[in-house]
Amino acid sequence: AQSVAQPEDQVNVAEGNPLTVKCTYSVSGNPYLFWYVQYPNRGLQFLLKYITGDNLVKGSYGFEAEFNKSQTSFHLQHPSALVSDSALYFCAVSLDTGGFKTIFGAGTRLFVKA
Amino acid sequence: EAGVTQFPSHSVIEKGQTVTLRCDPISGHDNLYWYRRVMGKEIKFLLHFVKESKQDESGMPNNRFLAERTGGTYSTLKVQPAELEDSGVYFCASSPRLGTYNEQFFGPGTRLTVL
Repeated sequence: AQSVAQPEDQVNVAEGNPLTVKCTYSVSGNPYLFWYVQYPNRGLQFLLKYITGDNLVKGSYGFEAEFNKSQTSFHLQHPSALVSDSALYFCAVSLDTGGFKTIFGAGTRLFVKA
Repeated sequence: EAGVTQFPSHSVIEKGQTVTLRCDPISGHDNLYWYRRVMGKEIKFLLHFVKESKQDESGMPNNRFLAERTGGTYSTLKVQPAELEDSGVYFCASSPRLGTYNEQFFGPGTRLTVL
């Protein structure tokens, strides 16, 4: 069965420091991988996705993520965190074959301290 | 361009009552999805419409849940009768093209509390 794991409920980082939000997945097949962000009282917003090609994907607001097939990971990174990056981040996976489900992780709350 | 909208934003009902949630997708988006997040856990897929047809409803928890998308525009999700475990945030999302490689556009969610 497909699954997504976000091992950290919360990540705390000081403003200006690099940040990493971890995500690992388990699928049988080639995955499409996504990161979404949710700000308070808002819907999820798309940040970036990996479909194929270059393992390093760049997205909105300076975020990037690296697809690592051997480690089945897709960690989200930012070189310099801003207080405004504080939000709830969701990793998601879907397959390139069969079905149309997207499977989400439980979310990681990022707290950036000034 | 207007985003995905959901109504109501909050609903508090008693066990046994009926609630209907509404989702208006982005105009022109054929694909409409319903998800639920319970108690800070993962966002779980409920079902997927392509226009007015149910493409995949394998995530619907039981027959107390009924989703419709008449005319292929807005969608409703009815819970009847509601149980305590139905509490959570119900998200709707839409996308313009079929294919799981396409990102989805989410509404702000409806927070349902069943007492």
